[in-house]
Amino acid sequence: KQEVTQIPAALSVPEGENLVLNCSFTDSAIYNLQWFRQDPGKGLTSLLLIQSSQREQTSGRLNASLDKSSGRSTLYIAASQPGDSATYLCAVRPMEYGNKLVFGAGTILRVKS
Amino acid sequence: GAGVSQTPSNKVTEKGKYVELRCDPISGHTALYWYRQSLGQGPEFLIYFQGTGAADDSGLPNDRFFAVRPEGSVSTLKIQRTERGDSAVYLCASSLGAGPGNTIYFGEGSWLTVV
Repeated sequence: KQEVTQIPAALSVPEGENLVLNCSFTDSAIYNLQWFRQDPGKGLTSLLLIQSSQREQTSGRLNASLDKSSGRSTLYIAASQPGDSATYLCAVRPMEYGNKLVFGAGTILRVKS
Repeated sequence: GAGVSQTPSNKVTEKGKYVELRCDPISGHTALYWYRQSLGQGPEFLIYFQGTGAADDSGLPNDRFFAVRPEGSVSTLKIQRTERGDSAVYLCASSLGAGPGNTIYFGEGSWLTVV
């Protein structure tokens, strides 16, 4: 059964710092991995989608990497801003299940001004 | 519509009551998903529709939960005889197609509280 773990569970950094969020998964047989952002009381916003054949994706200050063989992904946020404060969720799409996403519990990020 | 729309945004109901949650996916999206998110957890899969049919309902926790999508667009998640443990955010999502290359877009969720 696919399990997704995110470390750390919470992170507090000063504004301007570069930071890395970690995601690991137990079964490397995945179609893709997706990073989401969730603001308090809101739904999920897709940030980056990495297909299993890709190593990384970039969008603005965000860069996500994928090492499928080791079951790891990182989300790198450059020059963090208070507006980046949110919960960041990692989800994999396992080949075993077809159309389900399996999520981690998330990392709660707080960027202090 | 521009995004996935869910109603109601908040619902408080008494234990034992019946509840319906509605999802209006992005126009033209054929795949529709329901997930449930408890406090401090990631979302958990409930059911997936491709068109009008439920292609995978393996995540529904028990027979009190049922979902329909009669015309291949709007979907309704129905919960009978609600229990306090059903309190959670119910998230709907859609994608243009079902293949793994499709990004999945989520709505704002329906926050259900059973008292």
